[in-house]
This record gives sequence, C-alpha cells and structure tokens, in this order.
Amino acid sequence: DTAVSQTPKYLVTQMGNDKSIKCEQNLGHDTMYWYKQDSKKFLKIMFSYNNKELIINETVPNRFSPKSPDKAHLNLHINSLELGDSAVYFCASSQGAGFYGYTFGSGTRLTVV
Amino acid sequence: GDSVTQMEGPVTLSEEAFLTINCTYTATGYPSLFWYVQYPGEGLQLLLKATKADDKGSNKGFEATYRKETTSFHLEKGSVQVSDSAVYFCALSIPQGGSEKLVFGKGTKLTVNP
Repeated sequence: DTAVSQTPKYLVTQMGNDKSIKCEQNLGHDTMYWYKQDSKKFLKIMFSYNNKELIINETVPNRFSPKSPDKAHLNLHINSLELGDSAVYFCASSQGAGFYGYTFGSGTRLTVV
Repeated sequence: GDSVTQMEGPVTLSEEAFLTINCTYTATGYPSLFWYVQYPGEGLQLLLKATKADDKGSNKGFEATYRKETTSFHLEKGSVQVSDSAVYFCALSIPQGGSEKLVFGKGTKLTVNP
C-alpha cells in the first residue's frame, strides 16, 4: 500500500492551460503539504493543510489553489500555466507539529511548453 | 529567518570511503533536525532525525548528532556503498499553527563509484 500517492506522475502541458494534481494519504495523518522542487533540486513549501484547514500559504501566485475535501486528500489546481511553473511538485503528510518529519509522495513532474 | 546551509556538491567517493556532509542551521527556538535522501526519480525518504540537543539520529549506517553549540547536524557514514548514491537534504522543522514547516538545505549529490 502506497502511503502518499500522487497522480499523475508526469504532466506535459501548454502555457495558459489549467491543470490539477491529486494527492491522497492513507496514514491517518492530520496535516498535508505541497512542496515545489526546482531544476536545481531546491525544495520550498507552498501550502499546508491541517484537517482541511489552510495553515501555511507561502508567497505562491494565486494561480495556485489547493483544495482539501477531507483530511486524506489535498489537491493542487494551477490556472494559466507559465513556463516557470515547470518543476517537480511533491505532496507530503505528517502526524503533527515539530517532531515527526514528513512522508513524501513520489512527485509529479510538470513540464510547461 | 530560519534557514539551513549544507555543503555544496557534488561529492564523489569510492566504495568503502568515509562520508561527511556538513549541515548548519539558523533558527529561533529549538527546531527538530532531519536528513532526507532522494534516490533518482523518487520522492524524499526520511533517513534520520534528532529532536533535541545532543541527540544522535542513526539509520542504515548513517549518523548525525544535534549540536546546539555549533548549530550543526553533520551527516556521517563510515563506509559508503554504491547504493548510497543519491541527493541528501538536511532540514529543520518549525512548528506552525498545528502543522510543521520543513525548511530544506539545497541538497548534496553523492556519487559512490565501485
């Protein structure tokens, strides 16, 4: 059983399109996250949700909108895709605050052409 | 603000060599510290962690000790294997409103040759 699963694994799309990435965790964790990894492997937090409530919203363009229908799911919708959005997006979950670390999904490689 | 600095890579070693990857941090308060590993084409996996000063995290032959006086959490392994080739990330955890925010270093790519 995959603990944190993301779909799709690869996404190639044209500039200006709208796309979604889905994430599900079966660990019973209360908190889920989206991170962006750029071409130099740098990881930066985008959002976190705790039990469906938005907790962290870093300086992300408002073209990015997370949605959490329940605590096991956190989806990422991106409007009007730009070339600079090309990256690997990782979903993660954690058990609580401060001591546990994250369990990561395997990533979605988004390529905007 | 809170940040993590880790040694620039890439690091290339021969099998059975000793590994050190340096990591220092800046944080207000007392964060938990982590090392994550990312194998090619995969997500990040938790390698080890330490939650307070002088704690030593260890896993798969890797070790790191939380040093508050030097704000460091260096990763070490006595004898690396080809299968250890990966990118290693140091991170600190900041509790934030019921969740935790992980701040990562830039990653260090390790290649181990037979």
